[in-house]
Amino acid sequence: ILNVEQSPQSLHVQEGDSTNFTCSFPSSNFYALHWYRWETAKSPEALFVMTLNGDEKKKGRISATLNTKEGYSYLYIKGSQPEDSATYLCAANTGNQFYFGTGTSLTVIP
Amino acid sequence: EPEVTQTPSHQVTQMGQEVILRCVPISNHLYFYWYRQILGQKVEFLVSFYNNEISEKSEIFDDQFSVERPDGSNFTLKIRSTKLEDSAMYFCASSDLDNPNTDTQYFGPGTRLTVL
Repeated sequence: ILNVEQSPQSLHVQEGDSTNFTCSFPSSNFYALHWYRWETAKSPEALFVMTLNGDEKKKGRISATLNTKEGYSYLYIKGSQPEDSATYLCAANTGNQFYFGTGTSLTVIP
Repeated sequence: EPEVTQTPSHQVTQMGQEVILRCVPISNHLYFYWYRQILGQKVEFLVSFYNNEISEKSEIFDDQFSVERPDGSNFTLKIRSTKLEDSAMYFCASSDLDNPNTDTQYFGPGTRLTVL
């Protein structure tokens, strides 16, 4: 079993602020890291899949980096908007199974 | 835009009863998955399915669980004799390429299972 941790558990930011949160995972047996955005009462929506150390992915104002040697990934949101309010979930894949973190709940205050 | 659908949205059952949760993956997808989230806990991987057979399964996926693709569109999860601890939100997902570890997965809206 892989222990995937996310921090912080929740975050409140003002509209326009930039923010970031962390996903930590054991660096052994790592294959891929998935980030999801999950709005209340909706399905988790895939944001990024990263595999290589140093990978950096970007989608609009959201970007993510991956460090497989030290076992962490950062998700950044630039200029947060109220519609960014959601839970951001990461999942590490070991090559056969997925292990999820508990998520970071982001609230963007207008 | 194609999406994964799940039925029912909420299922209430008595302990010991069998339940079947249904999913319709996106039509050209090749890999199918079931996950669950017990209230207040992490999302947990149950099983992945490819080419009409189980590809991987977790420790949770014991003999009480089974999956099936009975026709070209549905993907089902059966729990033979439900226990109180099976109460959870069950999510189906599908992906369209041939590497389940790195493919983008598309999730359904979930079925909330309540076992009384």
